[in-house]
Amino acid sequence: NAGVMQNPRHLVRRRGQEARLRCSPMKGHSHVYWYRQLPEEGLKFMVYLQKENIIDESGMPKERFSAEFPKEGPSILRIQQVVRGDSAAYFCASSPMGGTEAFFGQGTRLTVV
Amino acid sequence: DQQVKQNSPSLSVQEGRISILNCDYTNSMFDYFLWYKKYPAEGPTFLISISSIKDKNEDGRFTVFLNKSAKHLSLHIVPSQPGDSAVYFCAAHTTSGTYKYIFGTGTRLKVLA
Repeated sequence: NAGVMQNPRHLVRRRGQEARLRCSPMKGHSHVYWYRQLPEEGLKFMVYLQKENIIDESGMPKERFSAEFPKEGPSILRIQQVVRGDSAAYFCASSPMGGTEAFFGQGTRLTVV
Repeated sequence: DQQVKQNSPSLSVQEGRISILNCDYTNSMFDYFLWYKKYPAEGPTFLISISSIKDKNEDGRFTVFLNKSAKHLSLHIVPSQPGDSAVYFCAAHTTSGTYKYIFGTGTRLKVLA
């Protein structure tokens, strides 16, 4: 049973480009969470999704950031017009239902140059 | 507004002794708590959890204690091993909310051989 898969592991983008981060949850998991970790900081909640629904996006910046979890395929975190401050590790987690333990992927390290 | 706080950024313990990591929370609606371990350049790994209906949960060398009146939980690792050296995060959520997990800022544990 494969764990949570995130790709790419490392992503370099120039300022102004778009970044797309992918997350395939564990088999049987329909709940996905995205977190961001800035250097030397903790994990900051961004968004919580179920299949085809955004449940809670209270941690997501209002502009340039969007997330989706379609009926088929991985969850996507999209950052438009990236800036240097977007450089961070982005982690995805999944759980079989709300209120249970969430399992994390290895993360995508985004570097904006 | 840091709802989950880990006030000790680092802790050093001798191999074989007990490690005690502490976590405080402010939101009285939190009713489920988790501990994660994180190595550099990897995603967090789930360790142990506790529901607010309990005050203790044990799994091998790991025990989590919950003091609801003090809004405090702690993770005990005994005996500590060098492989336990990592950053430990506590997390919390409320089952009456949207199940998003709120993380503390982490405590870096170093177990000395």
